[in-house]
Amino acid sequence: GAVVSQHPSRVICKSGTSVKIECRSLDFQATTMFWYRQFPKKSLMLMATSNEGSKATYEQGVEKDKFLINHASLTLSTLTVTSAHPEDSSFYICSARVTSGRETQYFGPGTRLLVL
Amino acid sequence: AQKITQTQPGMFVQEKEAVTLDCTYDTSDPSYGLFWYKQPSSGEMIFLIYQGSYDQQNATEGRYSLNFQKARKSANLVISASQLGDSAMYFCAMRGVSNSNSGYALNFGKGTSLLVTP
Repeated sequence: GAVVSQHPSRVICKSGTSVKIECRSLDFQATTMFWYRQFPKKSLMLMATSNEGSKATYEQGVEKDKFLINHASLTLSTLTVTSAHPEDSSFYICSARVTSGRETQYFGPGTRLLVL
Repeated sequence: AQKITQTQPGMFVQEKEAVTLDCTYDTSDPSYGLFWYKQPSSGEMIFLIYQGSYDQQNATEGRYSLNFQKARKSANLVISASQLGDSAMYFCAMRGVSNSNSGYALNFGKGTSLLVTP
């Protein structure tokens, strides 16, 4: 199946710093990628939809100035957590939609963010 | 609005037995897609199976099959011949209307933790 990579897999940072997470589709082009957040023992919650060449669409309650999304190419979307605080600590996971053949979405391996 | 319900927080099954994980959904969209993902302790989301709302036959992928009952709005996952490696969280998810990019985002249920015992 299609492969989606995410980097870094784990990051620990100090409060107030910014952290960039990359999501790449390795063997297919993804005009649309999605960013989700998952708290421990909880389900995935959609944060935003990343559209190649245009602005991201954010879900209600997600601060667009805090969670900056850039989708500069058909294979790369980045999520930057700006001025991170301990409450931003979470598991962030991206997915990319496959638009040819059978419909599906493939997920990256996720990024565990810990803000101290 | 869409809603996905998984009523089983945890399930046990003995190795080599079959197990059914329940999923019901609610939507007013005429066209939708239903997915099942497996999430082991490592955190990655592994795609298992997909069922489109207009598909005539129930989807099957190896040991996974989806019992799709449209009138009841249920999409239960059946895992046959369980293996120890099947122990994980299982999420049911729905894709909504496809008239916008955000419509392809997935709405997840709360998940079911499956433990396969020897």
